[in-house]
Amino acid sequence: GAGVSQSPRYKVAKRGQDVALRCDPISGHVSLFWYQQALGQGPEFLTYFQNEAQLDKSGLPSDRFFAERPEGSVSTLKIQRTQQEDSAVYLCASSYPRLANTQYFGPGTRLTVL
Amino acid sequence: QQPVQSPQAVILREGEDAVINCSSSKALYSVHWYRQKHGEAPVFLMILLKGGEQKGHDKISASFNEKKQQSSLYLTASQLSYSGTYFCGTEYLVASGTYKYIFGTGTRLKVLA
Repeated sequence: GAGVSQSPRYKVAKRGQDVALRCDPISGHVSLFWYQQALGQGPEFLTYFQNEAQLDKSGLPSDRFFAERPEGSVSTLKIQRTQQEDSAVYLCASSYPRLANTQYFGPGTRLTVL
Repeated sequence: QQPVQSPQAVILREGEDAVINCSSSKALYSVHWYRQKHGEAPVFLMILLKGGEQKGHDKISASFNEKKQQSSLYLTASQLSYSGTYFCGTEYLVASGTYKYIFGTGTRLKVLA
């Protein structure tokens, strides 16, 4: 594909709802990252995949956050029982391969929890 | 643990120069620089590997001082399009043998006509 795509671009959820955010990386990119970016802050690392393997999930803030990439391409970030503090922009980035390589970012999904 | 960038914010007139610094407490493998405009995703500018290299293209260049674990981004003859928030992204090895990636605190840059 031309670039990393994410959907939806905007999501409004009521507190307690579950949400699923999708990321389509650049074709052939083995590495995929998820970041959370609060307003006025830098992106904060959530989790990293190499192909279908989730090699690092140390940044996930709680067990309500879950990410998967079952076939090594598309990834989904799921947030269960959303809370107001989950409101942020969720960015996905891909690269090939991971170390010392450019990360190409998608446009992000802005999640607002009411 | 998060790399500290300085200055936090800077305002320039078109044509002026600026330097943005990124300091880490970790032994870095690489430093990446990104620019993010409001409401948009970060856009990659350049990457520097340990070894103290310097890179540049057009009027933007960067250096990496491996001894000090510091990187600097140099913007010369700034243009209006340079406005945005600049982030350094740092990559370092952790005890488990994997690499971590963490973004700096950010520098807001505004170029005025």
